[in-house]
This record gives sequence, structure tokens and C-alpha cells, in this order.
Amino acid sequence: AQKITQTQPGMFVQEKEAVTLDCTYDTSDPSYGLFWYKQPSSGEMIFLIYQGSYDQQNATEGRYSLNFQKARKSANLVISASQLGDSAMYFCAMRGERSTGNQFYFGTGTSLTVIP
Amino acid sequence: NAGVTQTPKFRVLKTGQSMTLLCAQDMNHEYMYWYRQDPGMGLRLIHYSVGEGTTAKGEVPDGYNVSRLKKQNFLLGLESAAPSQTSVYFCASSYGPLQPQHFGDGTRLSIL
Repeated sequence: AQKITQTQPGMFVQEKEAVTLDCTYDTSDPSYGLFWYKQPSSGEMIFLIYQGSYDQQNATEGRYSLNFQKARKSANLVISASQLGDSAMYFCAMRGERSTGNQFYFGTGTSLTVIP
Repeated sequence: NAGVTQTPKFRVLKTGQSMTLLCAQDMNHEYMYWYRQDPGMGLRLIHYSVGEGTTAKGEVPDGYNVSRLKKQNFLLGLESAAPSQTSVYFCASSYGPLQPQHFGDGTRLSIL
């Protein structure tokens, strides 16, 4: 079975500070991909960052970085220098190489609020 | 940059009515997906397609049908709408199974 857990339903961060959004996963697949998506209040789903299970380095995309700890099965999203526009829901997702149904497994999300 | 386009954006139906949601992508992606998003539950896969002419069931397929007659289009049908199908529906596409999925803006569907 595959499962994604996001234990922080809501987070607050001061503008210009860094914030870490937690994600743990459970899979028996030897090869898998981890993804983070942002969903602002307007509703669209925006792809942020990807980490492959065999990647040697943690993924980075601008102010987003993924703190990948394979042994702990965690894939936390780090947002540096938070901006007001970062206020949104954030979803962690995973797909294993042997996933049935080509399914992405999504977590329940973390609501991030950036405080001016 | 159109990406993934969903129509309509909003719809209200009465129980028992039928309708079709259209998803179109211009990125030449092989894989296409339909999800529903309900409060506190993240996204759940309804049906998916790995290429033109192919479809398969996802996690929550009951009450829905799909078709992919053209590579760029993926249609989601509700034959007899039920209030439990009130949700936000997202279409997505990707190059391959381990590639990021690109999402449409969603369709908010209410069934009374």
C-alpha cells in the first residue's frame, strides 16, 4: 500500500521567513517520485517541485527545496523568504514505479498563511 | 500557453441529470487523469488514460465514465448525477507515469 501523510493542517509564517511543510510517505516500491503542488484560493493546482527516489541531491526550484530523507521516508518542502503570495494549500504527492492505476497518491494538504 | 483546459468551470445539476466534462491538453501528453477533490480528502483518482483509445479505472470510478477518442481530449461523463458527486473535478496530464502532472483549473460541480 502507498500512503502520504501531511500532519500539519495549518501553518503560519512571517513574511520573509522560511517555513518547512512536512510530508511522510509509505511505499514498498524501490523506485518512486515525490511531488509538491500548490493550490491557491483561486483553486488551480500548480506543480512546484519533484524528487526522484534515486536522486542523489535534494531538489531545488527557486525558493522551493525538498528535504528528502529516504531512510525516514520524508519529503519535506522548504519555502525560503516567504511571500504573501505563498499563502495557499500545499499538497504532497507520490507515485511508485509499480503503482497500480498510474495513481498519484495525494496527502490531505497543509494550509499555509503568510503573515505580513 | 493553454496547457490543460477544462470546460465548464461551474455547473449545477439536478439529481438524475447527465453531463459531460471536457478536458483538452495541447502538450502532446500521453497520460491523462480525472480527479475529484473533496474537503479534507485531497485528490482522488476517478479514471485515467495512458493513450488515445485507452481508459482505466482509478480509485473512485463508480458513477462515472470516460472516453479518450483523441489524444488531446479526455471526457468525463456522469450518466445519472447524485448529490454525492458534488465536488471539484480536476483534469491532469503528463508525459509519463513518473512525470509531474499538469492540472486544469478545475470544474466546480454541484448536484441538488
